[in-house]
Amino acid sequence: AQSVSQHNHHVILSEAASLELGCNYSYGGTVNLFWYVQYPGQHLQLLLKYFSGDPLVKGIKGFEAEFIKSKFSFNLRKPSVQWSDTAEYFCAVNGGGGFKTIFGAGTRLFVKA
Amino acid sequence: GAGVSQTPSNKVTEKGKYVELRCDPISGHTALYWYRQSLGQGPEFLIYFQGTGAADDSGLPNDRFFAVRPEGSVSTLKIQRTERGDSAVYLCASSTQTRNEQFFGPGTRLTVL
Repeated sequence: AQSVSQHNHHVILSEAASLELGCNYSYGGTVNLFWYVQYPGQHLQLLLKYFSGDPLVKGIKGFEAEFIKSKFSFNLRKPSVQWSDTAEYFCAVNGGGGFKTIFGAGTRLFVKA
Repeated sequence: GAGVSQTPSNKVTEKGKYVELRCDPISGHTALYWYRQSLGQGPEFLIYFQGTGAADDSGLPNDRFFAVRPEGSVSTLKIQRTERGDSAVYLCASSTQTRNEQFFGPGTRLTVL
């Protein structure tokens, strides 16, 4: 069955610390991969996406993610977090030309000022 | 431009009642998705429309749940004989036909007493 696993449910960091959130997926065939973010009181919004090509993708606000096909992983990184990055982050996957999207359980990030 | 809108924002109902939740997608988006999000979980796929037809309804939990999109724009999620376990935030998203980057609405919080 298709699934997405996010390793950390809660992460607390100080400002300027580096961030890496883990995401592993189980999905046969070609995949499209996404990270979504939900800031407090706001809608889910797309942070970055991978469809094909360069496995290192860059998104908004200095975030990046690397697709490692052999590890079925799509980890999210940011070299230096800010207080404003406090949010919940969701990894998601869908397959090839399909649109059914499977989300992970999310990681709540709290950045201390 | 206008984003995805959902009404009502909150709905409280009693066990056994019927509810309808409405989603108004971004103009021109042919794909529309419904998700359910329970506390502490990521969005759970329910159904996806391409135009007026349900392209994938494999996530609907049982036959009490039904969704329509008669004119290929607004969609209504209908839940019959509601149960307390149906309490969740119901999210709607839309995307273009060719790029499945989904834009989410604010959600409807359903509480079944």
